[in-house]
Amino acid sequence: ELKVEQNPLFLSMQEGKNYTIYCNYSTTSDRLYWYRQDPGKSLESLFVLLSNGAVKQEGRLMASLDTKARLSTLHITAAVHDLSATYFCAVDPTGTASKLTFGTGTRLQVTL
Amino acid sequence: DAGVIQSPRHEVTEMGQEVTLRCKPISGHDYLFWYRQTMMRGLELLIYFNNNVPIDDSGMPEDRFSAKMPNASFSTLKIQPSEPRDSAVYFCASSLPPGYGNYEQYFGPGTRLTVT
Repeated sequence: ELKVEQNPLFLSMQEGKNYTIYCNYSTTSDRLYWYRQDPGKSLESLFVLLSNGAVKQEGRLMASLDTKARLSTLHITAAVHDLSATYFCAVDPTGTASKLTFGTGTRLQVTL
Repeated sequence: DAGVIQSPRHEVTEMGQEVTLRCKPISGHDYLFWYRQTMMRGLELLIYFNNNVPIDDSGMPEDRFSAKMPNASFSTLKIQPSEPRDSAVYFCASSLPPGYGNYEQYFGPGTRLTVT
């Protein structure tokens, strides 16, 4: 059974600080997704990483993928309060962009 | 585009009643997905369709759950009879076929179902 684990599960950080969220998965996958979810809201796509070594950046968020290590990271630079949300990674082991398995989620709280 | 549309947004029903959730995917998207989100189990894929045909329903929890997609712009997820453990947020998502887009799944606003 495919397992997708994120850590930490909860992260409280001060504005201006840097931190990294980790996503480990248990089977081969060349594609990985990062989503953001605000409380009571839907999921918003942040990044789609399509190959080993892929790196994407948007604002204060940067995601990377190491398929050999089965690891993706989401790095937060100089956090601001607006980044407070739950972040999910999702793995696509079939390569069809269809059957996604989501991680447990990391709840990020950025404090002043 | 209006995005993925789901209705109702909230549903409260009594145990034993039939519940029908509705979804309209983004126009031109050939894939449609139904997910369930709970605190205990997280986000789970229930079933997905390609060109209105169910491809994988292995995530459907039991026979009380059924899903249909009668045409490219409409899908339903039905629970009959409903039970309190079905209480969750149900999301519908849609996407372009692999190779025709950026492989993203676009999620609807969700239906929050409460079964009492």
